[in-house]
Amino acid sequence: GAVVSQHPSWVICKSGTSVKIECRSLDFQATTMFWYRQFPKQSLMLMATSNEGSKATYEQGVEKDKFLINHASLTLSTLTVTSAHPEDSSFYICSARLGGSYNEQFFGPGTRLTVL
Amino acid sequence: AQTVTQSQPEMSVQEAETVTLSCTYDTSESNYYLFWYKQPPSRQMILVIRQEAYKQQNATENRFSVNFQKAAKSFSLKISDSQLGDTAMYFCAFRLLNAGGTSYGKLTFGQGTILTVHP
Repeated sequence: GAVVSQHPSWVICKSGTSVKIECRSLDFQATTMFWYRQFPKQSLMLMATSNEGSKATYEQGVEKDKFLINHASLTLSTLTVTSAHPEDSSFYICSARLGGSYNEQFFGPGTRLTVL
Repeated sequence: AQTVTQSQPEMSVQEAETVTLSCTYDTSESNYYLFWYKQPPSRQMILVIRQEAYKQQNATENRFSVNFQKAAKSFSLKISDSQLGDTAMYFCAFRLLNAGGTSYGKLTFGQGTILTVHP
């Protein structure tokens, strides 16, 4: 299957700082990318959906000013956690998909964020 | 809105035995996909199997098969000849087929079932 990478795989930051997570589709062009958040032993919670060149669509309850998503190209999407706080500590997973009625959704390996 | 329910938080099975994971879902739509994903300790999500709702035949992938009951809105996963590498968290997921509204293309996940395979 296609490969989606995330960078960094883990990051520790101080409260109040901003952190950027990159998501890349390595061998295909992704018209749609998704960002999820996952707490230990829990399900994936969709945060937002982004289409290349368009503004991201955020799920209800997700602060768009706090979680900035940019999908500048067909192979790159970024999630920036602004003014991070300890409660933002979580596992963030991105996913990329081709367009069309059905195309498999490929997941990145995730990024563990710890905010001190 | 679509919902997916996995009622078994944890399951365990002996190596080489068979185990079935349950999943039910709720939707008013008729065209959709159902998936089982595996998330091992590495936390990399892996697609295990996919079922198109319009297909009556149950999907199979080697040791993995599903029992899709559309009328009952049930979609269970059977793992035969369980292996230690099957130890993971398994998620059932739903996705609408047709465009329309804001649900198109979004995966809705169940709560997950932690499966442990014992030697």
